[in-house]
Amino acid sequence: NAGVTQTPKFQVLKTGQSMTLQCAQDMNHEYMSWYRQDPGMGLRLIHYSVGAGITDQGEVPNGYNVSRSTTEDFPLRLLSAAPSQTSVYFCASSKQGAVNTEAFFGQGTRLTVV
Amino acid sequence: AQSVTQLGSHVSVSEGALVLLRCNYSSSVPPYLFWYVQYPNQGLQLLLKYTTGATLVKGINGFEAEFKKSETSFHLTKPSAHMSDAAEYFCAVRETSGSRLTFGEGTQLTVNP
Repeated sequence: NAGVTQTPKFQVLKTGQSMTLQCAQDMNHEYMSWYRQDPGMGLRLIHYSVGAGITDQGEVPNGYNVSRSTTEDFPLRLLSAAPSQTSVYFCASSKQGAVNTEAFFGQGTRLTVV
Repeated sequence: AQSVTQLGSHVSVSEGALVLLRCNYSSSVPPYLFWYVQYPNQGLQLLLKYTTGATLVKGINGFEAEFKKSETSFHLTKPSAHMSDAAEYFCAVRETSGSRLTFGEGTQLTVNP
């Protein structure tokens, strides 16, 4: 039972480089989201999707792009990495509209931008 | 807009002592409330949740939380701390209108031998 799978687990980028963080879930969840975790700030929502072909911005979307071509996959793209994007990134999924159900999280991607 | 405040970014207790992690929420509608735990270098996993019904909610690993509407609180407790409880704990709120979770800042729990 894989749940939510994120790759890579660790990544070091140089300023200005681009990369894609991968997220896949096998629970047929409609709702998927990306958070970043920074010390003392909890988890902040970057982007989310309520289904294939539908995405929307969260709290801190600048510098990130997403797409949702399938129910299973929700990649996060950093267009031009900046040191301020050094963080731990989490992908999560849950049933859409089922407010009493839990969100399932991946193991996280630790990104360092130098 | 909904928000969550966790009082105390760091809490330290002795093994066997009571654990109390505080969470207050602000929501214009009755919320759904969650506590998640994050062990070092891992993702978040659900400890417990309040949706409707009984206001005292029991979760995994001996944790429980009480929803108090009058105080807009959802504090997490455990009668006797264990070394394995050392982790970061997050309170989260979800409004009835959608799937979006809003998290508090997190509380790092240290358990001393």
